[in-house]
Parts: sequence; structure tokens; C-alpha cells
Amino acid sequence: NAGVTQTPKFQVLKTGQSMTLQCAQDMNHNSMYWYRQDPGMGLRLIYYSASEGTTDKGEVPNGYNVSRLNKREFSLRLESAAPSQTSVYFCATGTRTSGLGGETQYFGPGTRLLVL
Amino acid sequence: GENVEQHPSTLSVQEGDSAVIKCTYSDSASNYFPWYKQELGKRPQLIIDIRSNVGEKKDQRIAVTLNKTAKHFSLHITETQPEDSAVYFCAALVGGKLIFGQGTELSVKP
Repeated sequence: NAGVTQTPKFQVLKTGQSMTLQCAQDMNHNSMYWYRQDPGMGLRLIYYSASEGTTDKGEVPNGYNVSRLNKREFSLRLESAAPSQTSVYFCATGTRTSGLGGETQYFGPGTRLLVL
Repeated sequence: GENVEQHPSTLSVQEGDSAVIKCTYSDSASNYFPWYKQELGKRPQLIIDIRSNVGEKKDQRIAVTLNKTAKHFSLHITETQPEDSAVYFCAALVGGKLIFGQGTELSVKP
């Protein structure tokens, strides 16, 4: 099993260009997430999808859109890239644990994006 | 809004010493608190978690404690080894979403 995969691994964009980051999972998890990681700021949630067919905004959604294509795939789109979107992007999937709740999240390898 | 504060931002210890990282959270409804370890250039990975119905959980050299009244929880690593060097993130589950702390860069010197 591949777990959580992301493409591409690296990308350089010019300001104003668009691109889509792809995420796929073979873990049969319902929840999927997109985070960005910047130095000193931890992981910040951009968008998430609690189940196939639903998406919701996280902490920092501006400048991004998402599509939950099916249970396996969750893509993140930058319509008009800006230098402030230079970051490492992680996709994650989640599985509810038993008992009082909580969710273990499994992260993909990340996409490093540089916007010039 | 919901907030998770993590301290310290960097921590350097000698091999064999203990390391403690602390987090505070703002939403009293939070009931799940995982810790993730991220090695350089790698993805974050869950190392331990705790739920609100317990005060402490141990797994070999790592332990997590939770004080719900004070709204803080801590990661304890004993007998540190060079391979423990990484960035550690705490998180709190709020409204079905994980809110992460800013991270602690732990350096274990041989």
C-alpha cells in the first residue's frame, strides 16, 4: 500500500500562474486535509473534507480551492499564485479512533512550492 | 479563535537527559491531543496521543500528561538519543479539526 501520495514533489511558479496539487490515498479513510507548513508557524489547515462530496474551509483558505474528486483523491488548486504562497504543502488523511473520539492523521510526503 | 501555544521553540539537551515540551490550548471542549514528530525533510508522524479521560499515557521512553483544568499538556522524553532530534508538534482537536502548535526543534547532542 502506498498510503498517502502527493504530486508533484517540487514546483516553481511565477506570480499569477495557476497549478493543482494532487493527493491520493489508498487507506480507505473518509477525512482528507490540506495543510501548509511555514517556518515557525507549525501546520496550518487550508481546507478539509470530512467525507466524499463535502469540503470546508480551514484557518487559511484565501487564495486556494479544493476538489474532493472521490474518496481517494483530494486536490488543491492555486488559481493565481502569489509569493506569500511559497510553502511546503502536506496532504493528510484521517481515521476516527474508537472510544471518546480523536483522529489519527497520516501525512503525505509534501510538495515544496516556490512562487517567484 | 482556537489556539494552541507550544514552548519552547528550540530545545537542546545532552544525550541521556530528559526533554519536556509544553502546550496550552484555549478551547475547553478539546478532548484529543496528539503529538507528531517530523524529521528533517520528512512528513510529520504520530508518536503518541492522549484523550481527555486520562491524565497520563506512556509508550517506552515517551509520555504525555494532560491537565484539563489548566488546559495544558506536555510531552516527556526520557533517556534521549540522537535519533530523537527532530521537530515536535502538539495539536488539539477542536470542532473535528486539529489545531497545531508552532513546533519545537529538539536537538540531542551526543
